[in-house]
Amino acid sequence: EPEVTQTPSHQVTQMGQEVILRCVPISNHLYFYWYRQILGQKVEFLVSFYNNEISEKSEIFDDQFSVERPDGSNFTLKIRSTKLEDSAMYFCASSEPGRGVKAFFGQGTRLTVV
Amino acid sequence: AQKITQTQPGMFVQEKEAVTLDCTYDTSDQSYGLFWYKQPSSGEMIFLIYQGSYDEQNATEGRYSLNFQKARKSANLVISASQLGDSAMYFCAMNSGYSTLTFGKGTMLLVSP
Repeated sequence: EPEVTQTPSHQVTQMGQEVILRCVPISNHLYFYWYRQILGQKVEFLVSFYNNEISEKSEIFDDQFSVERPDGSNFTLKIRSTKLEDSAMYFCASSEPGRGVKAFFGQGTRLTVV
Repeated sequence: AQKITQTQPGMFVQEKEAVTLDCTYDTSDQSYGLFWYKQPSSGEMIFLIYQGSYDEQNATEGRYSLNFQKARKSANLVISASQLGDSAMYFCAMNSGYSTLTFGKGTMLLVSP
């Protein structure tokens, strides 16, 4: 079965540094998402992306964050000037267009800010 | 706004027994979807089952079934014949139309031999 691929699986960075989390969505999917899960807490929506632009974003997705689809396959989340509270598991997901379609999640990138 | 409530922080079940994980939701939308995901200790999110709000029959996927009671706004997950590999965190989630998923806090399921 096709899958969403995320790299790296684990990233350790110093506070204040920039990180880029990478995702390769499923090839025929058109909607892309980033979600975040702080350790022991529920999964929270960050941003959705469709047709090369942000379609929806949450309050968490402030100016510190940006997303990009630099080519036909990759979808990236950039976090500028990381903070300790950015430590979390970050999930990329993708879905086909349509109502009620399931989102396929990647295996996640565990970001640790020290 | 949508809200998902999972009231069971943890559940225990013996191998081969059935278990029900509770999920209630709140939305003002008429058309919505309900999802269950499994998150093992390795961290990935695995899709289990989907129920559309207009689906008349309860969804089933192998050992997983979704007990959908629209009037009560509940979408409980039933796992039949539990296996040791079912031990994981289980998240209920929903969306409306093209919107993104709203997740509950999850239920940790432990299956004992």
